[in-house]
Amino acid sequence: SALTQPASVSGSPGQSITISCIGTSSDVGGYNYVSWYQQYPGKAPKLMIFDVSNRPSGVSDRFSGSKSGNTASLTISGLQAEDEADYYCSSYTSSTTLYVFGTGTKVTVL
Amino acid sequence: EVQLVESGGGLMQPGGSLRLSCVASGFTLSNYNMNWVRQAPGKGLEWVSYISSSSTTIYYADSVKGRFTISRDNARNSLYLQMNSLRAEDTAVYYCARRYCNSATCSYYYWGMDVWGQGTTVTVSS
Repeated sequence: SALTQPASVSGSPGQSITISCIGTSSDVGGYNYVSWYQQYPGKAPKLMIFDVSNRPSGVSDRFSGSKSGNTASLTISGLQAEDEADYYCSSYTSSTTLYVFGTGTKVTVL
Repeated sequence: EVQLVESGGGLMQPGGSLRLSCVASGFTLSNYNMNWVRQAPGKGLEWVSYISSSSTTIYYADSVKGRFTISRDNARNSLYLQMNSLRAEDTAVYYCARRYCNSATCSYYYWGMDVWGQGTTVTVSS
């Protein structure tokens, strides 16, 4: 079943926000296999974080990932207008299905 | 330019079949594990299926198991998704996505999908 994310998170420009991604010991908590994606309306997702806390080349260092227990987190620091988008976490799962996505979080820049 | 381009979407009646294609350019598809991911209108991302580079390992989401079949033709740099017994709940934009790895020869895979197509729309309705 899908990982749990808050439906929405908002912040003012320059602030920091954190998006949580709650799973179980069979997925988020059991493995260091969490990724995060940014998606603008009508566009394909973009990989922002892989393996819990690593950024692909070209992704701003304002984006950071972490994990504690069954909860993974994405922090966006120095919030900018261009960060307004939907964000999804994803994890490996030891069930028969391999991948699970989070429910998604809409980030609004006030 | 590294690119994935999906095609094959359309309007289908419930119970019908459709085959999606995804053509890779700018990289050697045969080195990469690949996925299909879908997104229903106004909804979140849902992983659909995974295939390893040599087709030896395949996984499906429970929602499509027994109805969908993933395959690839590395010689044609192409990935496919055969969808049978289509249901209204299969209505979605379908994306193909490349699993992220450490180099062009992928000696090590990371957990993430780094290249996505633009998506192809499948609508199942009577």
